[in-house]
Amino acid sequence: DTEVTQTPKHLVMGMTNKKSLKCEQHMGHRAMYWYKQKAKKPPELMFVYSYEKLSINESVPSRFSPECPNSSLLNLHLHALQPEDSALYLCASSQERVNWGSYEQYFGPGTRLTVT
Amino acid sequence: AQKVTQAQTEISVVEKEDVTLDCVYETRDTTYYLFWYKQPPSGELVFLIRRNSFDEQNEISGRYSWNFQKSTSSFNFTITASQVVDSAVYFCALTHYNQGGKLIFGQGTELSVKP
Repeated sequence: DTEVTQTPKHLVMGMTNKKSLKCEQHMGHRAMYWYKQKAKKPPELMFVYSYEKLSINESVPSRFSPECPNSSLLNLHLHALQPEDSALYLCASSQERVNWGSYEQYFGPGTRLTVT
Repeated sequence: AQKVTQAQTEISVVEKEDVTLDCVYETRDTTYYLFWYKQPPSGELVFLIRRNSFDEQNEISGRYSWNFQKSTSSFNFTITASQVVDSAVYFCALTHYNQGGKLIFGQGTELSVKP
């Protein structure tokens, strides 16, 4: 089962709202990722978790707060977002072993976020 | 510097034509990994292939084939007898063994296959 699920599929939120994006995988992967993708652009890495610990933060503003409650779940908490944060947010997972950078990442369908 | 260039922004073909998507990469490392992903309009990136820098064998999977040439730093992707379902954005990506899974993506090539 090479499936990563994300909820919700679509989200509209105001600049003062607090919301969360959820991601789940059951492939036994120990690395999980959040990406942001604007229209007509490649995905941009935001965060990487390895064994439930944050290993990479690509200088993402603090209004985005990731959380990895267990090896299967990844959340992205959103607060006080700006309209320019509107984008497709993609979650991915991969194996994590020696030379783990070499493993392919499996992506979820994404959450399309609109900030009004 | 590490970089991936997909010079073709958009390609349009008619069904059953063959099409090649180009990918050129730059890296100083000797150990690296190359990937192709497909992103249909639904949004999900679908993994197609991984190739490591020590394996220059070409690969064929059904109508898909990949040509990896280290001498020209290229990893091109060919779709034979294209179909409408192949319409998508295709991304080439590069990573290194010690980068914690950080992918360097090209800008993507949008392929449109018309019936």
